[in-house]
This record gives sequence, C-alpha cells and structure tokens, in this order.
Amino acid sequence: DQQVKQNSPSLSVQEGRISILNCDYTNSMFDYFLWYKKYPAEGPTFLISISSIKDKNEDGRFTVFLNKSAKHLSLHIVPSQPGDSAVYFCAASALGSGTYKYIFGTGTRLKVLA
Amino acid sequence: GAVVSQHPSWVICKSGTSVKIECRSLDFQATTMFWYRQFPKQSLMLMATSNEGSKATYEQGVEKDKFLINHASLTLSTLTVTSAHPEDSSFYICSASKTSGGTDTQYFGPGTRLTVL
Repeated sequence: DQQVKQNSPSLSVQEGRISILNCDYTNSMFDYFLWYKKYPAEGPTFLISISSIKDKNEDGRFTVFLNKSAKHLSLHIVPSQPGDSAVYFCAASALGSGTYKYIFGTGTRLKVLA
Repeated sequence: GAVVSQHPSWVICKSGTSVKIECRSLDFQATTMFWYRQFPKQSLMLMATSNEGSKATYEQGVEKDKFLINHASLTLSTLTVTSAHPEDSSFYICSASKTSGGTDTQYFGPGTRLTVL
C-alpha cells in the first residue's frame, strides 16, 4: 500500500522555466511533508518542508504548495537550472500521532535542459 | 553543519557472510537514527528507527535477527546484515535527527551499496 505517490517518474524542463513536481498521499493522519533531492549514489538532501497548518512555504527558488482537501502537494522550482537535475522525493510524516518516521514517495527524476 | 557519513560506501561480499555498515553524525549529536533501504527505481523504505542506548524499532516485515542495529552513542549507529544473501543486495541509507523527530529534519548519509554474490 503506497501511502505517498509520485505518479510522474520523470520530467524534463527547459532551463529558466518552471518545474512542477507533484505528490499525492492517502493517509489523512499525515501532517508534515518534506521534499528531498537525491543525486545518484548519494543520500537525499533536504530541500523544503511544510506543516499541514500551512498551504504554502517558500524558500528561494523552491515553493511547496499543500492542498489538504485533495491530499496533494507540489514543489515548484522557478527558474529551473541544470544543477536542479536530480531525483526528487516527497515524504510525509504523521507527527500528531507521535510517529516521526517518514514515508517516501517513489521519486520523480527531473532533467533540466540547457 | 549536520553532516552524516556512512562507511563503507560500497561493499561486495559472499553469500552467507555478515556485513557491518556504520553511520556517523559528524558535527551533531543524533538522538535518533533511521535506516532505509532502496531498491533500484523504488522508494526509500524505512527499515528501523533507533534511539541511543535503546533497542531499535523495526518496521513490519523487517527481520530484526537478520538486520542487527546498534546505536551505541549519540554519533554512531551500525547496521549488520547477517548471513547476507543476494536478495539483500541494495542501497542502504541512514539518516540522523538531532531530536527524537518531530519537525526536526532528518539528515541523510551518502548511502552504502551492498552487493552479495
């Protein structure tokens, strides 16, 4: 049972344009969400997070949007740069229930074309 | 800050042998460490959560006798794959948190590629 889903395995975007990565979840107990970036043969690096009390969080070129009613979050990267090419994982946690573990999606491979 | 290292970065072993993977938080004290496994083109799957000085909590379906986890200090956790078999070949990644979790970020190590022949 995949509780966190990233339905697009890959995405190609032209440099300078917006990249939009999507993530859906099924567990209504999830109240904290994160995005990680991962390069091959490396561990994931934290990008941005959002609590369920918010619907938007912005950090530089990265913005995460949360739509609780649709159980959907998205990561926007503007403008996209070739160095952003990586696999992006969304993760969810149910902090309110006292469990701090992250459930990861399957990842979306972003390729930013120069 | 918040650097996590893993050693070794890759290991090849014969079937039936045991392999130990170390996870260290280099510049902070990690109250909680997590161990994940990632198969090709799949998600990171949490194997277990460990707090310093106490027994690890394993996820459903993970054999605690096969994957031994020790969190002996606030900067070191080890994962030992006992009697490894080819199906244990995977990418093992640890992460560390400064607190017991919550909104505190998990910082990931670079991972260890295990190949069992």
